[in-house]
Amino acid sequence: QKEVEQNSGPLSVPEGAIASLNCTYSDRGSQSFFWYRQYSGKSPELIMFIYSNGDKEDGRFTAQLNKASQYVSLLIRDSQPSDSATYLCAVNPRKGGNKLVFGAGTILRVKS
Amino acid sequence: DAGVIQSPRHEVTEMGQEVTLRCKPISGHNSLFWYRQTMMRGLELLIYFNNNVPIDDSGMPEDRFSAKMPNASFSTLKIQPSEPRDSAVYFCASSSVVNSGIAKNIQYFGAGTRLSVL
Repeated sequence: QKEVEQNSGPLSVPEGAIASLNCTYSDRGSQSFFWYRQYSGKSPELIMFIYSNGDKEDGRFTAQLNKASQYVSLLIRDSQPSDSATYLCAVNPRKGGNKLVFGAGTILRVKS
Repeated sequence: DAGVIQSPRHEVTEMGQEVTLRCKPISGHNSLFWYRQTMMRGLELLIYFNNNVPIDDSGMPEDRFSAKMPNASFSTLKIQPSEPRDSAVYFCASSSVVNSGIAKNIQYFGAGTRLSVL
């Protein structure tokens, strides 16, 4: 079992729709969770982070964390073509010090 | 803030040659991470340093890879000898572990070095 798993996609949504990206992790003691966006040929950039169970909203983005189910998700409301990118889920494992373990990423395509 | 600075941006070399990648972390950050990204394996952590000290090098593929951080503002990743399978994008990232709470562990990435070994 991979430490961090994501559906590779591509996930295709029409412009204006809600995109839902999901991530599961294996280490139940993981403490912090991050979503990075990576455009083709560019470096990963932080979108959101979440530490506590529940929802965290920032503009059009909402991160959701359910530690009991070991599940993290990212919702993008009013999706725009500029949101088309690969979204990487990253987890800080319990015994990982301050390193992050990244999932393989989900490709999102927003069609206008 | 200049962000994480990596050089060179692109490197093309021949098998067997030595390759040195360089990274300057964000000023004030005391953790530095080296990653490798390929289509097949995704983004993999190679090694990371806290306060210039290597903490976890379990991701370093083999003895051909070595990393150093002689001071807080500079790190190198060296491959010697290089092989075609080392072709990838290598990212450097930095974070600040002195921040407590929510700011801790946020990593900021450099633009990366695209390495091609022929």
